[in-house]
Amino acid sequence: IAGITQAPTSQILAAGRRMTLRCTQDMRHNAMYWYRQDLGLGLRLIHYSNTAGTTGKGEVPDGYSVSRANTDDFPLTLASAVPSQTSVYFCASSEDTSSDTQYFGPGTRLTVL
Amino acid sequence: GQNIDQPTEMTATEGAIVQINCTYQTSGFNGLFWYQQHAGEAPTFLSYNVLDGLEEKGRFSSFLSRSKGYSYLLLKELQMKDSASYLCAVKDSNYQLIWGAGTKLIIKP
Repeated sequence: IAGITQAPTSQILAAGRRMTLRCTQDMRHNAMYWYRQDLGLGLRLIHYSNTAGTTGKGEVPDGYSVSRANTDDFPLTLASAVPSQTSVYFCASSEDTSSDTQYFGPGTRLTVL
Repeated sequence: GQNIDQPTEMTATEGAIVQINCTYQTSGFNGLFWYQQHAGEAPTFLSYNVLDGLEEKGRFSSFLSRSKGYSYLLLKELQMKDSASYLCAVKDSNYQLIWGAGTKLIIKP
């Protein structure tokens, strides 16, 4: 059982390029989340999905988009990357939005130059 | 606004006890979580409190006072592998997690 996987592990990207971060979970969890983690700041929610077919905006959604075509996959797209999007991105899932525990993927370290 | 405060860094000695405090101001409260995050890794769940009082789980305990907006994580019999960041998070009225910046715990032999 893999839990949650993310790809790529790390990426260096030129500003202005489009990039999709992939996230897949095999726990059949309904809810999924994308966070960014920056030094000195707490995890900040970018987008979330309560169930397949629905998505919502978190605290810092600008410059990012998501889709949830099925239960397992929740890709995050940067349409035109900017240096301020340099961060570590974590995908997480939980049984539903009210459940106790979120499980995190290993993260993607993204550098935008 | 919503705010979670915890110390930036703490140092403790192997075998000792350390208490990491967390204070919060959020719109609504649906539980408080503690996660552990080793450097370069993902956060992993440690504990969950929704009612006032102490929850004990092995060497780790977590306390909550909702009236004071306060929690602490207590780590006993510290081991070198406990060197990590400890993240406090509160689930608000929208069931979204609001995260503190984390406390980096350094364990010295």
